[in-house]
Amino acid sequence: QKEVEQNSGPLSVPEGAIASLNCTYSDRGSQSFFWYRQYSGKSPELIMSIYSNGDKEDGRFTAQLNKASQYVSLLIRDSQPSDSATYLCAVNTGNQFYFGTGTSLTVIP
Amino acid sequence: DAGVIQSPRHEVTEMGQEVTLRCKPISGHDYLFWYRQTMMRGLELLIYFNNNVPIDDSGMPEDRFSAKMPNASFSTLKIQPSEPRDSAVYFCASSPGGGTEAFFGQGTRLTVV
Repeated sequence: QKEVEQNSGPLSVPEGAIASLNCTYSDRGSQSFFWYRQYSGKSPELIMSIYSNGDKEDGRFTAQLNKASQYVSLLIRDSQPSDSATYLCAVNTGNQFYFGTGTSLTVIP
Repeated sequence: DAGVIQSPRHEVTEMGQEVTLRCKPISGHDYLFWYRQTMMRGLELLIYFNNNVPIDDSGMPEDRFSAKMPNASFSTLKIQPSEPRDSAVYFCASSPGGGTEAFFGQGTRLTVV
């Protein structure tokens, strides 16, 4: 059974719209949650971390965590073509990081 | 800090040859992870170390793969003998621990022909 599930997409949104990316995880003991962005041919880059229930905002990015539902999401407001990438959800359980397979996002100018 | 440093960036080798990938973690990070990424399987954890000690190597595909961390600033992943199905991007990542973030190196793209 996979630890972390993501919709693989692809997800396409017009420039300026809100992109919504979702992730579920299986281990209720997980304490830390992360979103990474990976451009084609590059390494994963950390963009958001969230540790407690609720919302966390950083610029155009908002991470949302609901531990009761075992659900993490990432909202990207005012999407830009430069946001086009694969977004990886990661969950830390017992100091191990489990990654989803990623959601491919394309922002259309 | 320069971040996690991996070498080489690209490696092309013939089937049967030994391949050694290298990683220098961020100074002060107690955890080091080796991942393999392919289109089919995504990011797979191969092995991770805590304070230079291997903690979980259950992701290592088979005995052809081995990893070492002789000190806090250096780790190697060795494949011997290499096979075409080992072709992938191999990432090293490090973390301070305590459930905090992991930071990735630039990766090594391995092609076995």
